[in-house]
Amino acid sequence: AQSVTQPDIHITVSEGASLELRCNYSYGATPYLFWYVQSPGQGLQLLLKYFSGDTLVQGIKGFEAEFKRSQSSFNLRKPSVHWSDAAEYFCAVGAASGNTPLVFGKGTRLSVIA
Amino acid sequence: DAGVIQSPRHEVTEMGQEVTLRCKPISGHNSLFWYRQTMMRGLELLIYFNNNVPIDDSGMPEDRFSAKMPNASFSTLKIQPSEPRDSAVYFCASTNPTRGNYGYTFGSGTRLTVV
Repeated sequence: AQSVTQPDIHITVSEGASLELRCNYSYGATPYLFWYVQSPGQGLQLLLKYFSGDTLVQGIKGFEAEFKRSQSSFNLRKPSVHWSDAAEYFCAVGAASGNTPLVFGKGTRLSVIA
Repeated sequence: DAGVIQSPRHEVTEMGQEVTLRCKPISGHNSLFWYRQTMMRGLELLIYFNNNVPIDDSGMPEDRFSAKMPNASFSTLKIQPSEPRDSAVYFCASTNPTRGNYGYTFGSGTRLTVV
């Protein structure tokens, strides 16, 4: 069965500290992987995506994610968090064809403290 | 590009009333998805369309929910009659899978409150 697990429901980090949000997936075929961010009262915005090739992908707002096939993981990272990064983050997995819906994790809420 | 446009942004209605949510996908996107988001259940896929045809509506919670896509530029999600437990944020998203999977573009959502 296809699934995405985000083990951390809520994470709090200090402004300027580094961040890593975890994502593990279960998928029967070659996965296409995505990270979305949702600010309060807003829709989901695509941060970055992984299709193939280099396992470290760069996204918007200074985020990056690393695909590790052996661990079925696609963790999101940022070297230095800003207060404006406080939001909900969703990991998702889908098929190469794009003809079937993405499977989303339940999200991780990030709080940033001064 | 105006993005995915949803209306209204907020809707407050009384229990038993009919509610219609609207979505205009990005031009050229031929797949459209309706999601519901609540604190308890997270993001749930309700139904999706490919080329205006409903493909999977297994996520629609009850017969009170219906969705249509009469053309490539418009979709509606209707709840009749509405109940308080339908209170949630409803998102529409679109994509064009004919060139591969590049993820979705989401609208800003409709916050529905049924009192």
